[in-house]
Amino acid sequence: DILMTQSPSSLSASVGDRVTITCRASQTISNYLSWYQQKPGKAPKLLIYGASSLQTGVPSRFSGSGSGTDFILTIYSLQPEDVATYVCQQSYRTPPTFGGGTRVEI
Amino acid sequence: EVQLLESGGDLVQPGGSLSLSCGASGFTFSNFAMTWVRQAPGKGLEWVSTISDSGGVTYYADSVKGRFTISRDNSKSTLFLQMNNLRAEDAALYFCAKDPKGSGWYRFFDYWGQGTLVTVSS
Repeated sequence: DILMTQSPSSLSASVGDRVTITCRASQTISNYLSWYQQKPGKAPKLLIYGASSLQTGVPSRFSGSGSGTDFILTIYSLQPEDVATYVCQQSYRTPPTFGGGTRVEI
Repeated sequence: EVQLLESGGDLVQPGGSLSLSCGASGFTFSNFAMTWVRQAPGKGLEWVSTISDSGGVTYYADSVKGRFTISRDNSKSTLFLQMNNLRAEDAALYFCAKDPKGSGWYRFFDYWGQGTLVTVSS
């Protein structure tokens, strides 16, 4: 199985800050990488797919980049409603696997 | 508006069985592969099983193969997960999730339900 490793596991930032979250795959996955936002007790929400494509309806302050094994989720100008856990997931090979998550606090 | 609503979660003893359902609305259910993903308390997300749009092809995580069965009723826009011989490590919040595109399995998920809780304990 492809192992997905996220860093950091948690971070605290201020409103308006730029936040970056890293996801690394244990083998190359091309650009088959998605990012989800999960708030406590809520369903995960797709933010980014194909490493850099913004899902419809997601604010443009969210951005994804990377290919191969290393990927980044950037939140430009962090907002209070962005407090959540962010999870990466590879869709290159079965089984699809998820990173451990990054908790973002303000 | 796409909606996915899971039900059927309960407290069950080790070795017991449980059936989960996921009712779908807001999209043409029969056109999309559907998936179950679980999350143990305080843990990360784990893919469990996927079924093709027609129901003819199924995929399972090694951890549940031979114990869980995924199925669907396209006439009722409902996804199922039959769980047998449950173990303590199966305790989790179970989400159903929709594939983003029809005709195939793209292995990522554009809509998720709120989840249904399965507790396995004596």
